Amino acid sequence: VFWMTQSPSLLSASTGDRVTISCRMSQGISSSLAWYQQKPGKAPELLIFAASTLQSGVPSRFSGSGSGTDFTLTISGLQSEDFATYYCQQYYSFPWTFGQGTKVQIK
Amino acid sequence: EVQLVESGGGLAQPGGSLRLSCAASGFTFSSYAMNWVRQAPGKGLEWVSAISGSGGSTYYADSVKGRFTISRDNSKNTLYLQMNTLRAEDTAVYYCAKNPGVLWSYMDVWGKGTTVTVSS
Repeated sequence: VFWMTQSPSLLSASTGDRVTISCRMSQGISSSLAWYQQKPGKAPELLIFAASTLQSGVPSRFSGSGSGTDFTLTISGLQSEDFATYYCQQYYSFPWTFGQGTKVQIK
Repeated sequence: EVQLVESGGGLAQPGGSLRLSCAASGFTFSSYAMNWVRQAPGKGLEWVSAISGSGGSTYYADSVKGRFTISRDNSKNTLYLQMNTLRAEDTAVYYCAKNPGVLWSYMDVWGKGTTVTVSS
């Protein structure tokens, strides 16, 4: 099983801030990593796939980087609609696994 | 418009069974691998199972292996999850989600979910 450590679990920030979320793998997964955003009571939505490719329709303030074992999601210029929970997910090997989630809340 | 609509959730007793369905529309269903992902109350996401476009290949999380069965009817554009020997820890919102193509991959479209509660 490819374990994932996502950090931090809780992040307090203000509108306009630049925030970064980390996802570290127990083994290398090349670039087979996706990031999702989930708002309360809603289904997750895909933000980024292949570690750094922005899904169509996702604002350019979201970006992803990394390969192998260390990955980062960056939001440059946090907007009010970005306060949500974010998950990383590896699709390199079954079973697919998700990070524990990072809740981005208003400071 | 690509759409996934889950149904079949509800209250089940421990040891009981439920069958979830996911009706797909807006894309050629048989060309895409599909998944079930669940989320227990107040918890994170947990991948449950995946099935290839033809239905010939399936994968399961260890937590459900031997109890849950994923299947699909491509003539009806519908994905299923047969859940047997249910446990309290299976209580969750269950989402179906599609892969972007035939290959095993990330999940690009999700349904709104259906809630399963296992309790006596």
